[in-house]
Amino acid sequence: NAGVMQNPRHLVRRRGQEARLRCSPMKGHSHVYWYRQLPEEGLKFMVYLQKENIIDESGMPKERFSAEFPKEGPSILRIQQVVRGDSAAYFCASSPMPAETEAFFGQGTRLTVV
Amino acid sequence: DQQVKQNSPSLSVQEGRISILNCDYTNSMFDYFLWYKKYPAEGPTFLISISSIKDKNEDGRFTVFLNKSAKHLSLHIVPSQPGDSAVYFCAASARENSGYALNFGKGTSLLVTP
Repeated sequence: NAGVMQNPRHLVRRRGQEARLRCSPMKGHSHVYWYRQLPEEGLKFMVYLQKENIIDESGMPKERFSAEFPKEGPSILRIQQVVRGDSAAYFCASSPMPAETEAFFGQGTRLTVV
Repeated sequence: DQQVKQNSPSLSVQEGRISILNCDYTNSMFDYFLWYKKYPAEGPTFLISISSIKDKNEDGRFTVFLNKSAKHLSLHIVPSQPGDSAVYFCAASARENSGYALNFGKGTSLLVTP
């Protein structure tokens, strides 16, 4: 049973470009969470999704950021017109039930904006 | 607004001794607490959790203590082993209020020396 898979592991984007981060949850998990870790900081919650639904996006910046978890395929975190401040490690986690079990984290995508 | 605080950025302990990692929180709605362990370039790995109805939970070498009145929890590792060297994150959520988001502290880097 493969764990949570995130790709790419490393992503370099120039300012103004778009970044797409992918997350395939563990088999049987239909709940996905995205977190961001800035340098020297803890992980900050961004968004919680179930299949085809955004449940809680209270941690998402109001502009340029969006997330989806389609019926088929991975969850996507999309950052439009990236800026230097978007450089961070982005972690995805999944769980079989909402808030009932501990979420399993992927290895993260390290985004660098140059 | 940091609702979960880990005031010690680092801790060094000799192999075989006890490691004590501390965590404080400010939100009285938090009712579920977790510890995650993280190695460099990897995602956080769940270690142990505790519900607010308990004051202690033990799993092998790891024990978590919760003092609700002080809004304080601690993780004890005994005996400490070199393989325990990692960054430890304390996290909290308010599950009774459908709070799915995990609120993380900034982490404590533990070094266990032989």
